[in-house]
Amino acid sequence: KAGVTQTPRYLIKTRGQQVTLSCSPISGHRSVSWYQQTPGQGLQFLFEYFSETQRNKGNFPGRFSGRQFSNSRSEMNVSTLELGDSALYLCASSLAYQGASNEKLFFGSGTQLSVL
Amino acid sequence: QKEVEQDPGPLSVPEGAIVSLNCTYSNSAFQYFMWYRQYSRKGPELLMYTYSSGNKEDGRFTAQVDKSSKYISLFIRDSQPSDSATYLCAITDSWGKLQFGAGTQVVVTP
Repeated sequence: KAGVTQTPRYLIKTRGQQVTLSCSPISGHRSVSWYQQTPGQGLQFLFEYFSETQRNKGNFPGRFSGRQFSNSRSEMNVSTLELGDSALYLCASSLAYQGASNEKLFFGSGTQLSVL
Repeated sequence: QKEVEQDPGPLSVPEGAIVSLNCTYSNSAFQYFMWYRQYSRKGPELLMYTYSSGNKEDGRFTAQVDKSSKYISLFIRDSQPSDSATYLCAITDSWGKLQFGAGTQVVVTP
């Protein structure tokens, strides 16, 4: 069974640009969550999508947005990039939404975004 | 103050030693307790999962939860160089969101 797939693996952008990251969850998983990981702040929750609806959102500015498609694949978009957006962006999938009884998250390898 | 506190380390131990990791949390409504292992340039992988106070064993790994003290631990027995990684605790809050600790970097030296 294939794991969570994230593309691209690495990205280099300049300030002011926008970027779109893609995540394909494990087959059969309906929830996709996005996290930002930096050395200083650790893993921070961005948002969760379940059955194409945003179910939870973290404390990030509106420049960070996402969506989920009917096949559960998800995309995350960051507009007007800032230097501080440089981070590893991780996608995680689960069968049901976070917090459901005994629900476990499975992570992809992430997209390393560098903003110059 | 973060809701989940974890010492970032690094924690260096010789091969064969017991690795002891811990996290404290502030919200008593937290329900599920997990430990993830993350190798360099990889995503975290789930190691242990529990929701009740007490111990849970899986091979060389033991997870311990003390809800009265809001304290969770992970022990790795007979540590190997392949155990060198960052270990993150994660706790699910009442809204279903996972709150992660900062992660502790572990180095097991041969």
